[in-house]
Amino acid sequence: GAGVSQSPSNKVTEKGKDVELRCDPISGHTALYWYRQSLGQGLEFLIYFQGNSAPDKSGLPSDRFSAERTGGSVSTLTIQRTQQEDSAVYLCASSLRGQGAMSTYNEQFFGPGTRLTVL
Amino acid sequence: GNSVTQMEGPVTLSEEAFLTINCTYTATGYPSLFWYVQYPGEGLQLLLKATKADDKGSNKGFEATYRKETTSFHLEKGSVQVSDSAVYFCALSERGNFNKFYFGSGTKLNVKP
Repeated sequence: GAGVSQSPSNKVTEKGKDVELRCDPISGHTALYWYRQSLGQGLEFLIYFQGNSAPDKSGLPSDRFSAERTGGSVSTLTIQRTQQEDSAVYLCASSLRGQGAMSTYNEQFFGPGTRLTVL
Repeated sequence: GNSVTQMEGPVTLSEEAFLTINCTYTATGYPSLFWYVQYPGEGLQLLLKATKADDKGSNKGFEATYRKETTSFHLEKGSVQVSDSAVYFCALSERGNFNKFYFGSGTKLNVKP
């Protein structure tokens, strides 16, 4: 079946503009993650959704960043008033079920990412 | 806090050479450890994992052993192929909390024929 898809693959925007990045997880996957990869850096956790539970937003770097997940499927990451330091590759991943304290690890499947460039 | 440090790349090897990519970690408690690989033009995918000390993860000829005493999870392969050219990421998650992963900065491997 289809993997995780993300759109757009590339986005160039001007400083101060808002952008929306989209993630389509694998069908049936209840958990969805957003990460950011800045040049030369590792992946930075941003936010995690699991089913209908409140998302874990602890990784969002500022209140300019927000994300939602509609109907437990598609997710949108929104960055308001973009800054040059927001330039990075934004990665989305999904997994089969939640990974709580009593759960075993479930593999995350990653999308190809959206490369965001803020001029 | 939690963090992962891996050797900087790029690493360039000839085909059939021995590969080691170093990874060390800092963690509270007893984390689970992972290696992810990103082939050119593709998304990250899990390569192998180990969930407790002394476990060895293995896949596609790659191996890594969870060393608690040295807080390391070095990736090794005895004989690399051109098709192994990719970026490799070491990562950890806290035991019982797989919501958050901490990734290293990635090591690019180039294998020449």
